[in-house]
Amino acid sequence: DGGITQSPKYLFRKEGQNVTLSCEQNLNHDAMYWYRQDPGQGLRLIYYSQIVNDFQKGDIAEGYSVSREKKESFPLTVTSAQKNPTAFYLCASTPRGQTTNEKLFFGSGTQLSVL
Amino acid sequence: AQSVSQHNHHVILSEAASLELGCNYSYGGTVNLFWYVQYPGQHLQLLLKYFSGDPLVKGIKGFEAEFIKSKFSFNLRKPSVQWSDTAEYFCAVNDNFNKFYFGSGTKLNVKP
Repeated sequence: DGGITQSPKYLFRKEGQNVTLSCEQNLNHDAMYWYRQDPGQGLRLIYYSQIVNDFQKGDIAEGYSVSREKKESFPLTVTSAQKNPTAFYLCASTPRGQTTNEKLFFGSGTQLSVL
Repeated sequence: AQSVSQHNHHVILSEAASLELGCNYSYGGTVNLFWYVQYPGQHLQLLLKYFSGDPLVKGIKGFEAEFIKSKFSFNLRKPSVQWSDTAEYFCAVNDNFNKFYFGSGTKLNVKP
């Protein structure tokens, strides 16, 4: 079945530690996105990538980093600079990076908590 | 950056009641509008979308939404809700740069 796979489902971070959240898609989609979901705040865009080897900051990129070396993979690293990392992280994709009318396909999310 | 406002954070209804969830956005240019739903324990999924044409769009499970350009609104409606509609609903806007902006979400609890 085609879809977006996020791993792990739950992740715990110690103070000062960098952690990486995985996002893999086999939908052959060009564009991929990372969102952070906090209660009462909806989804906020962290980073997005329209094509391989290119990515753009979203509205809350500070303390995060990404890479897009392969079309199917868009890992998110939560660095020690992110002071409030506890949240639910969602990865999403759309078929074509340059069009503006495609719906988002979502992964099942990763819950990150700080120890 | 665009902003998307959802006025109701938590709505409680009895079965068969009518539903209207408000959504307003700030962008003045051409936009595409979406409603997504997240059922308990499930992925976010598309409920309906508006790109152009008839401003009244119909989605899955009896939901519909009306785009009113002059009011920058895209309210979600359902004439008669069911217990299975209990979920969190998100309004979203997509701008010319293919960035999606989401509202803060509305939790709907339908009492059987």
